[in-house]
Amino acid sequence: GQQLNQSPQSMFIQEGEDVSMNCTSSSIFNTWLWYKQDPGEGPVLLIALYKAGELTSNGRLTAQFGITRKDSFLNISASIPSDVGIYFCAGQYGSNTPLVFGKGTRLSVIA
Amino acid sequence: SQTIHQWPATLVQPVGSPLSLECTVEGTSNPNLYWYRQAAGRGLQLLFYSVGIGQISSEVPQNLSASRPQDRQFILSSKKLLLSDSGFYLCAWSTSSSSYNEQFFGPGTRLTVL
Repeated sequence: GQQLNQSPQSMFIQEGEDVSMNCTSSSIFNTWLWYKQDPGEGPVLLIALYKAGELTSNGRLTAQFGITRKDSFLNISASIPSDVGIYFCAGQYGSNTPLVFGKGTRLSVIA
Repeated sequence: SQTIHQWPATLVQPVGSPLSLECTVEGTSNPNLYWYRQAAGRGLQLLFYSVGIGQISSEVPQNLSASRPQDRQFILSSKKLLLSDSGFYLCAWSTSSSSYNEQFFGPGTRLTVL
């Protein structure tokens, strides 16, 4: 089955630093999504990517859909304490097929 | 705007007891609906998804079942809970008319089986 490798598993950074995380797949995806989950809550959609090569920003967040359609990265600039949480990537192969989720990157920000 | 509700928010149940978790979506019609389970500190495991009333696809064989009695209602059940059923249960929805499968999650139910 399709699998997503998300890295790093966890990160400890200083407030103000930039963050980068990525997901790679053994299969081609048509859609890449990035979510953030705060403790005890459901994941919230941050960015959705639909085309290979697409680069999309949402405030301090930037994500790109890899040219090969097998990878995506998420960057967070100038991190702040509220960026703490677990970030998940998710990919979709075809319409009305279930998303495949990465195992998450746990981000900790040290003030 | 669309909203998704889950209840209860937390639940503590003894092993062998039944389970019923409910999820409802407002503000949209004929959504795709999903149940996920998340073990502590782990990723999301898709349990069931539904593209319409009475249509349920199971991703992981286990002692859980799902039903969709109404268009915007999705229920997760078990006849006899196991210790391994403990976890954070998330319901999600997506539109069925779009080619893009952006899923939107509910607040979750924290289940502890003792």
